[in-house]
Amino acid sequence: NAGVMQNPRHLVRRRGQEARLRCSPMKGHSHVYWYRQLPEEGLKFMVYLQKENIIDESGMPKERFSAEFPKEGPSILRIQQVVRGDSAAYFCASSPPRVGAKNIQYFGAGTRLSVL
Amino acid sequence: DQQVKQNSPSLSVQEGRISILNCDYTNSMFDYFLWYKKYPAEGPTFLISISSIKDKNEDGRFTVFLNKSAKHLSLHIVPSQPGDSAVYFCAASAGAAGNKLTFGGGTRVLVKP
Repeated sequence: NAGVMQNPRHLVRRRGQEARLRCSPMKGHSHVYWYRQLPEEGLKFMVYLQKENIIDESGMPKERFSAEFPKEGPSILRIQQVVRGDSAAYFCASSPPRVGAKNIQYFGAGTRLSVL
Repeated sequence: DQQVKQNSPSLSVQEGRISILNCDYTNSMFDYFLWYKKYPAEGPTFLISISSIKDKNEDGRFTVFLNKSAKHLSLHIVPSQPGDSAVYFCAASAGAAGNKLTFGGGTRVLVKP
């Protein structure tokens, strides 16, 4: 199965701890995206990365959140000093290089973060 | 500001009948539209998409219609099957603004046997 892989599927943290969410894109995909979904809401864009570069971080909170996609290894979404409001489902998506307007992104199963 | 809206939070339909899901958008820069299906505790699954240069795209039981002047798109599922019961999200992207997808709030579809 060459789908988008996210781990862990569930993550429980206490307030003030750090959360690290990992994402391996589909084989052949060089573009990675992170989205957040709060209960009963749609997905909200956070950040778009290519290998070693952040392309668009317009949806990222200014503090405590960071993302990387190193040359080797998975993309990491890092949340420092978590608060209860960070509890959500975090989805990673990947895509091949864009051709014209076509922009199909394929999603992983998500990481459900619970902050106690 | 909610640039993509799905005004019907839920829809109930009988098996075998047509399901029609609607989506409205406000950003005239959107040039590509997608529909995703999502089961609980899973990630969104891509269903079908349409470019703004078209007004219809069909794939098996799924057809997406785009009305650019009204800034409206719809997804038709016919015939509906119990396995279609899920939450459906409409999404859009604006090529000039990069690759991010803007999602609607979703419509929960229940197909009754």
